[in-house]
Amino acid sequence: AQRVTQPEKLLSVFKGAPVELKCNYSYSGSPELFWYVQYSRQRLQLLLRHISRESIKGFTADLNKGETSFHLKKPFAQEEDSAMYYCALSHHSLNSGGSNYKLTFGKGTLLTVNP
Amino acid sequence: ETGVTQSPTHLIKTRGQQVTLRCSSQSGHNTVSWYQQALGQGPQFIFQYYREEENGRGNFPPRFSGLQFPNYSSELNVNALELDDSALYLCASSFFSGAELRAQYFGPGTRLLVL
Repeated sequence: AQRVTQPEKLLSVFKGAPVELKCNYSYSGSPELFWYVQYSRQRLQLLLRHISRESIKGFTADLNKGETSFHLKKPFAQEEDSAMYYCALSHHSLNSGGSNYKLTFGKGTLLTVNP
Repeated sequence: ETGVTQSPTHLIKTRGQQVTLRCSSQSGHNTVSWYQQALGQGPQFIFQYYREEENGRGNFPPRFSGLQFPNYSSELNVNALELDDSALYLCASSFFSGAELRAQYFGPGTRLLVL
């Protein structure tokens, strides 16, 4: 069964410091991984998708299949980065109803960037 | 481009009652997924709808049911409410080509409290 683990419930850094939010996954197939972010009083938003290999708001994430990890990194944290971050794995399955893709989420890491 | 909308924003019900939550998908999307997010947890997949049919379900009992309409909007129905059903219910829409599902975009959620 697929599983996503975010080992840190809380992460606190100072402005300008590097930040790394950890994500490990367990999946037997070829994974598709995402990072979602939820700012205070806002909806869950897509931040990064590993197949896009892009940098959004200075964040990057590299899929490491050997270590089954998809850590989110930013070299210089900003106060506006304070938010809840969720790592998610997209799982494709076939059943009697057809083909579907579901997201399996980690429990999230609350990042606080202090001034 | 109109984002995913959900109604109502908040709802209070008593144990044993039934509830219907609504979701309008983002323009251009044809697939709707529903997630339950309990306090302190990541979202958990309930089910997904494509072409007005359920095409995948997570580990939720049959009293959780849904509908998708021709305009791709969707409803989540929960019968015989239990206290543990208290949670934030998220709707996510996406485009499924039949071969690949693109990223899922989330609505603001409906917060359900069961007393």
